[in-house]
Amino acid sequence: EVQLVESGGGLIQPGGSLTLSCVASGFSVGTNYMSWARQAPGKGLEWVSVIYSSGSTNYADSVKGRFTISRDNSKNTLYLQMNSLRAEDTAVYYCARGPYTSSWIGLDVWGQGTTVTVSS
Amino acid sequence: EIVMTQSPATLSVSPGERATLSCRASQGVSSSLAWFQQNPGQAPRLLIYGASARATGIPARFSGSGSGTEFTLTISSLQSGDFAVYYCQQYYKWPLTFGGGTKVEIK
Repeated sequence: EVQLVESGGGLIQPGGSLTLSCVASGFSVGTNYMSWARQAPGKGLEWVSVIYSSGSTNYADSVKGRFTISRDNSKNTLYLQMNSLRAEDTAVYYCARGPYTSSWIGLDVWGQGTTVTVSS
Repeated sequence: EIVMTQSPATLSVSPGERATLSCRASQGVSSSLAWFQQNPGQAPRLLIYGASARATGIPARFSGSGSGTEFTLTISSLQSGDFAVYYCQQYYKWPLTFGGGTKVEIK
């Protein structure tokens, strides 16, 4: 079964750091584009970052320079390291496969999400 | 960045009726457009990609159309699980951007 399971969320003070993990099953994170998206409480969806199958990365301007996406192919796991966290980073964070797998099909598999709350 | 605008913000429809949702891009995105459904407390679910292709397991009552800057999601006969929030998203150009969502509620 194709599945993504996130973990690592929690309550963190402003300025702090947190690393989210996303374990994939049923496919390889290393051969697909993998993305992170987030959803602030009561708000819409916001794309955060992508790691291409080549290993190159891309970020939304709102997190550029503070967040780092990475993967460990041996563990089939995607990561999001978040530094210098701000109150506006409070959200449910989702990992997702895509938007490119073997073709451009959008974000076709999503995890259940992990909640990050930035507050003192 | 490409701004995605969805309308209406809320759509009130009776079960069994047809729902038509719109999405407009601030610049052309070809057919690189996806639609997602999100129920309360759940992750988004991909419904449509490539503007009109149904994702795996999506019922035929969901259909997408359009290209360039104007897109439509049609739900032909609303069932109970279809009352949810729907988002469009372009993946033509980075950053990926989502519309603000349309909430489909029971009339």
